[in-house]
Amino acid sequence: RKEVEQDPGPFNVPEGATVAFNCTYSNSASQSFFWYRQDCRKEPKLLMSVYSSGNEDGRFTAQLNRASQYISLLIRDSKLSDSATYLCAVVNTGGFKTIFGAGTRLFVKA
Amino acid sequence: NAGVTQTPKFQVLKTGQSMTLQCAQDMNHNSMYWYRQDPGMGLRLIYYSASEGTTDKGEVPNGYNVSRLNKREFSLRLESAAPSQTSVYFCASSEEFQGGWKTQYFGPGTRLLVL
Repeated sequence: RKEVEQDPGPFNVPEGATVAFNCTYSNSASQSFFWYRQDCRKEPKLLMSVYSSGNEDGRFTAQLNRASQYISLLIRDSKLSDSATYLCAVVNTGGFKTIFGAGTRLFVKA
Repeated sequence: NAGVTQTPKFQVLKTGQSMTLQCAQDMNHNSMYWYRQDPGMGLRLIYYSASEGTTDKGEVPNGYNVSRLNKREFSLRLESAAPSQTSVYFCASSEEFQGGWKTQYFGPGTRLLVL
């Protein structure tokens, strides 16, 4: 079993839709959680950190469920520009290694 | 402030050839990393350097060596390239917040093809 798993998608949604991604992790000692966005043929860039209490940044909401060991990303009112691959990332105890999921591809269509 | 830079952007090698991928960051980060990204596999850690003068193996270190030349620079060397090393290579550096959060900043990547 991979340490961090994501549904690879692709998710095909119309503009304006709400879409949610989940990511599960296997190490209960994981301490930090992130969502990264990666555009085609580009490097990953931090989208948002995921806090225990959940956090929101505009149309994006991230949540952490430690009991079930998953993090989620909700995108409301999808835009064409949201089309990308979304990677979840987990930092384990010690903090020097970040484990990335394989990513979920999102296509937003007009 | 250029962030993380990598050279070269593209490279074609023949099996058995060697090369060094260069990476530099100007954000004064202590930690630096080398990843490879393959379709369906996500980002896999090759080596990392928690601080200047230290390096450690990641998930897939075989066939690679690294050098943390100074705080800014972290290079990745392929001594004898193999077709299985065809991939996109990303260098990253990270900052640490109180409590151990580590946000990673990536370079633009090097696309390597080994024939």
